[in-house]
Amino acid sequence: RKEVEQDPGPFNVPEGATVAFNCTYSNSASQSFFWYRQDCRKEPKLLMSVYSSGNEDGRFTAQLNRASQYISLLIRDSKLSDSATYLCVVRYQTGANNLFFGTGTRLTVIP
Amino acid sequence: DADVTQTPRNRITKTGKRIMLECSQTKGHDRMYWYRQDPGLGLRLIYYSFDVKDINKGEISDGYSVSRQAQAKFSLSLESAIPNQTALYFCATSFRVGSTGSNEQFFGPGTRLTVL
Repeated sequence: RKEVEQDPGPFNVPEGATVAFNCTYSNSASQSFFWYRQDCRKEPKLLMSVYSSGNEDGRFTAQLNRASQYISLLIRDSKLSDSATYLCVVRYQTGANNLFFGTGTRLTVIP
Repeated sequence: DADVTQTPRNRITKTGKRIMLECSQTKGHDRMYWYRQDPGLGLRLIYYSFDVKDINKGEISDGYSVSRQAQAKFSLSLESAIPNQTALYFCATSFRVGSTGSNEQFFGPGTRLTVL
């Protein structure tokens, strides 16, 4: 079983739409959670951390459900520039403090 | 200038050749990482280093070796390249993680390696 699982998509949505991505993780000892964004042929970049109480950054809202081992990302009022692959990332407390990456969900926002 | 740089950006090589991928950073981070990315598999950790004298295997270290020449430099070697090592390779850096802190990793632009 993969450490982090995501729906690969693709999600094709019109501009202005609201879209949600989900992610599940297998290790209940996971401590930190993130969404990274990766544009085509580019490196991943941190989009936002995910806090237990949920958090919002402009049009982006992240939620964490520890009981269900589930993370979500909601994007409101989608822009063309939101087209990218969104990676769900989990860290649990090991000596490495490694990050475990999901395979990513591809989003295309259509004019 | 980019904070994390990788060279080369693209490389085509033949089976059995020795290849070195280099990573340099100006962020002053103590931790450095090498990942590979394959379609449908996401990023997987190859090796990581917490400082110059600390090298650790990641999830998929077989067939790879690394060298941390300085705090700012971390190189990845494929001693005898094989076709299934064809992938996109990323170097990343981060600060030491505090007990409650996040662990943002900053990635280089990637090296696309093709082994024929």
